[in-house]
Amino acid sequence: EVQLVESGGGLVQPGKSLRLSCAASGFTFDEYAMHWVRLIPGKGLEWVSGISWNGGRTGYADSVKGRFSISRDNAKNSFFLHMTSLRADDTAVYFCAKDKQWLGGGLDAWGPGVVVNVAS
Amino acid sequence: AIHLTQSPSSLSASVGDSVSITCRASQDINIALAWYQQIPGQAPKLLISDASTLTSGVPSRFSGRGFGTDFTLTINSLQPGDFATYFCQHFNTYPFIFGQGTKLEIQ
Repeated sequence: EVQLVESGGGLVQPGKSLRLSCAASGFTFDEYAMHWVRLIPGKGLEWVSGISWNGGRTGYADSVKGRFSISRDNAKNSFFLHMTSLRADDTAVYFCAKDKQWLGGGLDAWGPGVVVNVAS
Repeated sequence: AIHLTQSPSSLSASVGDSVSITCRASQDINIALAWYQQIPGQAPKLLISDASTLTSGVPSRFSGRGFGTDFTLTINSLQPGDFATYFCQHFNTYPFIFGQGTKLEIQ
């Protein structure tokens, strides 16, 4: 069974940094792209960032480009989102998700989500 | 960036009805489009990928079609569990943007 579990969320002050982690199991991790998606109440889903199967390609939403960085450790079946210069509008539930392909084709498994609250 | 416009933003229907939701891309994306169902308090669920490929385990009441810039999700014979919010997402080039969502409410 595919399982994804996020960690690292919490309350953080504006301008600070936070690192989200996603631990994966139940599938061959290094064959698939992985993504971070956030849900902002009342605003819908926002794709935040994605990374290809081997980390060779990464992408970011315009709203986070230059502030967030995605990475993966295939040896540990994990991937990460390093968030810097956090702003109040980064407050959301963050989901890690598995793609059905090596780069991008559909997010077919999701973690339960972790809350990031940016507030002073 | 390629943007997606969903319509309508909300929709009221009754159990047993059929509904359609459209998603228009700002550029040609071939068939690089997926549809999701999102129920409050839960993670989104992939319904359809590659514009028309039904995810295993998803009822055949759900179908998708389209190519290029115009796409449609159709739900036939609505069931109580179908009342949720639906999103499209493209996978043509980064960033893989979502549409703004369509909230399907029970009439």
